[in-house]
Amino acid sequence: DAGVIQSPRHEVTEMGQEVTLRCKPISGHDYLFWYRQTMMRGLELLIYFNNNVPIDDSGMPEDRFSAKMPNASFSTLKIQPSEPRDSAVYFCASSWGATGTNSPLHFGNGTRLTVT
Amino acid sequence: LAKTTQPISMDSYEGQEVNITCSHNNIATNDYITWYQQFPSQGPRFIIQGYKTKVTNEVASLFIPADRKSSTLSLPRVSLSDTAVYYCLVGAGGSARQLTFGSGTQLTVLP
Repeated sequence: DAGVIQSPRHEVTEMGQEVTLRCKPISGHDYLFWYRQTMMRGLELLIYFNNNVPIDDSGMPEDRFSAKMPNASFSTLKIQPSEPRDSAVYFCASSWGATGTNSPLHFGNGTRLTVT
Repeated sequence: LAKTTQPISMDSYEGQEVNITCSHNNIATNDYITWYQQFPSQGPRFIIQGYKTKVTNEVASLFIPADRKSSTLSLPRVSLSDTAVYYCLVGAGGSARQLTFGSGTQLTVLP
């Protein structure tokens, strides 16, 4: 089991550029989550998918953020255009079944995004 | 949402038992309690999960009183490598939106 794989590990970009973060969940997991972590706000849930379908995106900060899950093994989080305040560590997590009962979240190691 | 409250930080010495308590006064009937550990530059990692009474695994124990309004993570004989942030998470299977992390507890283990 390779765990949840995120790429890239680090991304540095200039304000206004498009940024795409990628995630490969654990095979067989049917839930996928995108979190953002900053010192000020901690871990925030941005959006989650169930069986590749977005269920709740109320945590997505603005229209500049979008997420897709074209298949069970791949998801992207896109920021267009990026702004300095988007600088954070973005985590992807996956789980199986009814999360919160017997299905812990499995996190990737995150993408550290710096927007200058 | 079931909000959680934890101490911001704790210090301990190697070899001691550490207990971190999480308060969750408005926990719902079908909510489980899950604890995660996070090291710098890594994602949170699952430690233990429980619903009531006591749960023990090879890493930790989780104590949950009858009213379930709090829970205590117990780490036996900590080592320097246990220095990390520990999060208490309360959520149900009904809506993953409820999987909201609190601010966590920074545990520092001293030699």
